[in-house]
Amino acid sequence: SQQGEEDPQALSIQEGENATMNCSYKTSINNLQWYRQNSGRGLVHLILIRSNEREKHSGRLRVTLDTSKKSSSLLITASRAADTASYFCAPRFTGANSKLTFGKGITLSVRP
Amino acid sequence: ETGVTQTPRHLVMGMTNKKSLKCEQHLGHNAMYWYKQSAKKPLELMFVYNFKEQTENNSVPSRFSPECPNSSHLFLHLHTLQPEDSALYLCASSRKDGEEKGEAFFGQGTRLTVV
Repeated sequence: SQQGEEDPQALSIQEGENATMNCSYKTSINNLQWYRQNSGRGLVHLILIRSNEREKHSGRLRVTLDTSKKSSSLLITASRAADTASYFCAPRFTGANSKLTFGKGITLSVRP
Repeated sequence: ETGVTQTPRHLVMGMTNKKSLKCEQHLGHNAMYWYKQSAKKPLELMFVYNFKEQTENNSVPSRFSPECPNSSHLFLHLHTLQPEDSALYLCASSRKDGEEKGEAFFGQGTRLTVV
């Protein structure tokens, strides 16, 4: 089924460093969303970028989208231990019956 | 809090039991979803309801039976489950399924263990 694929599967960094996470997809999209999940909890929506946008910011988050390469990246600047979580991308594909589907996610560990 | 509430948070059931998971949202959304999250696997979309009508059943075994009595409530009835059904079950809602923006709001999930 259609879904985004996140890369890397796991990322471990030191507090204060930047974390870059990538997402690739295969068909055209209306938008792409990033979500965060703390261990054993529900997903929380972080940011949405539309197909006609190239970059978007929200606090310490920066999302880029390259529709020609069918890829997106999520950058968390000046990471904190509290950023430790799993991160998922969810492309909203074009088409009337498009579903919000998720990959396996990226496990981010931020060491204090 | 996301505005989507799931109960119970944890559930242990035997393979012969019947139980139900409940999801409630008061965000004015018209689409509700059940997802299953197993370890090391992508989130699996199970069911979609749009304006109380089921619009997607992603080849889910009949031992899982959803019910959507109104746009605010969604249930997942469970019976004769298998140990491999143990997972985190997540409910989500959005304004309307298939809508271009379609940001989803998730509940905290029910951790189900089948023994």
